[in-house]
Amino acid sequence: EIVLTQSPGTLSLSPGQRATLSCRASQSFSGNYFAWYQQKPGQAPRLLIYDSSSRAIGIPDRFSGSGSGTDFTLTISRLEPDDFAVYYCQQYGYSPLTFGQGTRLEIK
Amino acid sequence: EVELVESGGGLVQPGGSLRLSCAASGFNFDDCDMQWVRQAPGRGLEWVSGLTWDSGHIGYADSVKGRFTISRDNAKNSLYLQMNSLRTEDTGLYYCAGSLSVPKSLYFYAVDVWGPGTTVTVSS
Repeated sequence: EIVLTQSPGTLSLSPGQRATLSCRASQSFSGNYFAWYQQKPGQAPRLLIYDSSSRAIGIPDRFSGSGSGTDFTLTISRLEPDDFAVYYCQQYGYSPLTFGQGTRLEIK
Repeated sequence: EVELVESGGGLVQPGGSLRLSCAASGFNFDDCDMQWVRQAPGRGLEWVSGLTWDSGHIGYADSVKGRFTISRDNAKNSLYLQMNSLRTEDTGLYYCAGSLSVPKSLYFYAVDVWGPGTTVTVSS
């Protein structure tokens, strides 16, 4: 199975700053079958990015995704208070599908 | 309104069984691949199982293979997860999730609709 490793584990930033979250896959896979989700306490996850760089419906353009092969990045250009949450990466190119362990984005 | 609602969770002893259900509404359920994702208390997300719109492709996490069985009834807009030989490490919140953006996909896709989850507790 493909193991996804997210870094950093916790990211402390202030509103207005730029956030860069990384996810590295244990092996390269063809096709950009890669997604990012946001989860807030007590809520189900929400899809942000699919196919590595496409924004899901209703996701503001301050969220962007990039990457291919083994290295993928989620960037939040200007943090808003509502963005502080846990973020998970996921690959859906190979079964079993796998998630990263999560990055907690907290207010500094 | 697009909605998924899970049911069937509860407390069960190790070695026991449970059957989770997920009722879908507000979208063309029979066009979508569906998945189960779980989250142990205080932990991250773990993909459990999925199947395509026609059940032509089915997959399981290694941790549940041989113990869990996923199925769907498109006539009833419902997804199921039969869980046998349950272990304490199966405890968690089980989410039903679906991919609406790629109808009749041949494989699994990113999930863009989620239910609120149903809690499974395996304990003696």
